[in-house]
Amino acid sequence: AQSVTQLGSHVSVSEGALVLLRCNYSSSVPPYLFWYVQYPNQGLQLLLKYTSAATLVKGINGFEAEFKKSETSFHLTKPSAHMSDAAEYFCAVSEPSGTYKYIFGTGTRLKVLA
Amino acid sequence: DTAVSQTPKYLVTQMGNDKSIKCEQNLGHDTMYWYKQDSKKFLKIMFSYNNKELIINETVPNRFSPKSPDKAHLNLHINSLELGDSAVYFCASSQADRGSQPQHFGDGTRLSIL
Repeated sequence: AQSVTQLGSHVSVSEGALVLLRCNYSSSVPPYLFWYVQYPNQGLQLLLKYTSAATLVKGINGFEAEFKKSETSFHLTKPSAHMSDAAEYFCAVSEPSGTYKYIFGTGTRLKVLA
Repeated sequence: DTAVSQTPKYLVTQMGNDKSIKCEQNLGHDTMYWYKQDSKKFLKIMFSYNNKELIINETVPNRFSPKSPDKAHLNLHINSLELGDSAVYFCASSQADRGSQPQHFGDGTRLSIL
């Protein structure tokens, strides 16, 4: 069965510093991968998705993620953190076999320090 | 123009009561989902419908019963509410395309059991 691991339930960075949120998946078949952001009292919003077209995926708000098959990773980065980036971030995977199921990681709370 | 809308946004009720949460999407998607998010932000899939047909039915107490009158609506009815049912319930939808399409989430229904 598919699984997603997000290392670090809490990450703190200074404003202007690099943001790196880690996501590893387990799958023998390259899956579809997604990053979502959740602001307080809101639903999840899509940041970006990987669907095998390109290994480096650019998303909204300056975020990007790189798919590395050899490391089964899909880490999320942003060169310079902004206070408004403080939120909960979720990595998710779906199986290309069409089971309609999306598996979510446990989330990483990003805190941005002034 | 809200894509996925849930009502009510807040639900506070007594243990033992029966309540319903409604969800509607205007994106023309084929598939709709219910998730439960606990206090630690962990997202758990509960149910999924594709074109009004139940396709995912995770290990959920049978006090929870979903109903999809048409592919734009997915409601969740909960009987005999228990303290452990307190959580945020999210509705989501996606276009069925072998898992390559992201999910769109509502803003959640915050259920509190007294």
